[in-house]
Amino acid sequence: DAGVIQSPRHEVTEMGQEVTLRCKPISGHNSLFWYRQTMMRGLELLIYFNNNVPIDDSGMPEDRFSAKMPNASFSTLKIQPSEPRDSAVYFCASSLRAGGAGTQYFGPGTRLLVL
Amino acid sequence: DQQVKQNSPSLSVQEGRISILNCDYTNSMFDYFLWYKKYPAEGPTFLISISSIKDKNEDGRFTVFLNKSAKHLSLHIVPSQPGDSAVYFCAASTQGAQKLVFGQGTRLTINP
Repeated sequence: DAGVIQSPRHEVTEMGQEVTLRCKPISGHNSLFWYRQTMMRGLELLIYFNNNVPIDDSGMPEDRFSAKMPNASFSTLKIQPSEPRDSAVYFCASSLRAGGAGTQYFGPGTRLLVL
Repeated sequence: DQQVKQNSPSLSVQEGRISILNCDYTNSMFDYFLWYKKYPAEGPTFLISISSIKDKNEDGRFTVFLNKSAKHLSLHIVPSQPGDSAVYFCAASTQGAQKLVFGQGTRLTINP
């Protein structure tokens, strides 16, 4: 069975450009999480969804970031406009809501570099 | 405001010896703790967890210890193997909650 799929795996863009990261969760999972990994802060939760509905977006750094989940098999994280400080690895994870915190399955991540 | 801290960015251990990774937390509401392991170019994978009603949980070569009074947990790997070389993240949550708070990670290198 395929795990969490993220695209693109690498993204290089220039400051001010729009960036869209994509995620396909594991089929049947009803919770989806977006994380950002940096050297200074480690893994930070940005936002998570239950049954396609955003539950907690308190980790979203600012209005330049937005996330959507139009259906159970697809989610996007958009940064507009992008800035060099957004450079990081962005992970998507999915889980069964009833499974608790320990059953999150992570995708391979998207490495974003904003020049 | 780092609620979960891993103060050692890196650790180097000889193969066959014990690896001890440490983690501290500040939020006394946390009652469920996890360790994740991450290889390069891959996402983190769940390794082991412990509930605050226990002070030790063991799974093969991996043991997690929890000291609630000190708000400290540690992961012991014994014996250490080359395949254990990875970044280890400590995470905390409250029981039944979905939100995980991660530390910064510790890069473990096992030397042959």
